[in-house]
Amino acid sequence: DAGVIQSPRHEVTEMGQEVTLRCKPISGHNSLFWYRQTMMRGLELLIYFNNNVPIDDSGMPEDRFSAKMPNASFSTLKIQPSEPRDSAVYFCASSPGAETGGRALHFGNGTRLTVT
Amino acid sequence: AQSVAQPEDQVNVAEGNPLTVKCTYSVSGNPYLFWYVQYPNRGLQFLLKYITGDNLVKGSYGFEAEFNKSQTSFHLKKPSALVSDSALYFCAVRVPMDSSYKLIFGSGTRLLVRP
Repeated sequence: DAGVIQSPRHEVTEMGQEVTLRCKPISGHNSLFWYRQTMMRGLELLIYFNNNVPIDDSGMPEDRFSAKMPNASFSTLKIQPSEPRDSAVYFCASSPGAETGGRALHFGNGTRLTVT
Repeated sequence: AQSVAQPEDQVNVAEGNPLTVKCTYSVSGNPYLFWYVQYPNRGLQFLLKYITGDNLVKGSYGFEAEFNKSQTSFHLKKPSALVSDSALYFCAVRVPMDSSYKLIFGSGTRLLVRP
């Protein structure tokens, strides 16, 4: 079990550029989450997929952010255009089953995004 | 509002001493509570959870947590701290959504264990 795999580990880009973050969940997990971590706001849930379908995207900050899950083994989080305030560590997590109550989330090691 | 609070930004303890990291929650219904740990440049790792049953829950690395319904608390504890326990600790609570649930995390508490 390779765990949740995120790429890239680090991304530095200029304001206005498009950024795409990638995530491969643990095989067999059918729930996928994108979180953002900053010093000021802590951990924020951005969007949550179950069986590849977005269930709750109320945490997506604005229309510049979009997420897709075209199949059970891949998800992307895209920011277009990027802004300096988007600088953060973005985590992907997966979980077996839709009901997270009794099941732990498995986190990837994150993508550290810096927008200059 | 449903939330979880970690009142301490940092906890300092000497190696070998007991440690406590505090967490309080506010949620409707029966709470599902979790503790996660984050080491530098890594994602969060699950430590333990409370769903139902015994108020004292045992988890990974010798950690345990005590659920106290009257005080709405779920403090993380360890009888004897190790330097390697130094990390960022997050408490989380399950919050119901329209057709599912999500986890809300506290702000985190940095644990520093000195030799």
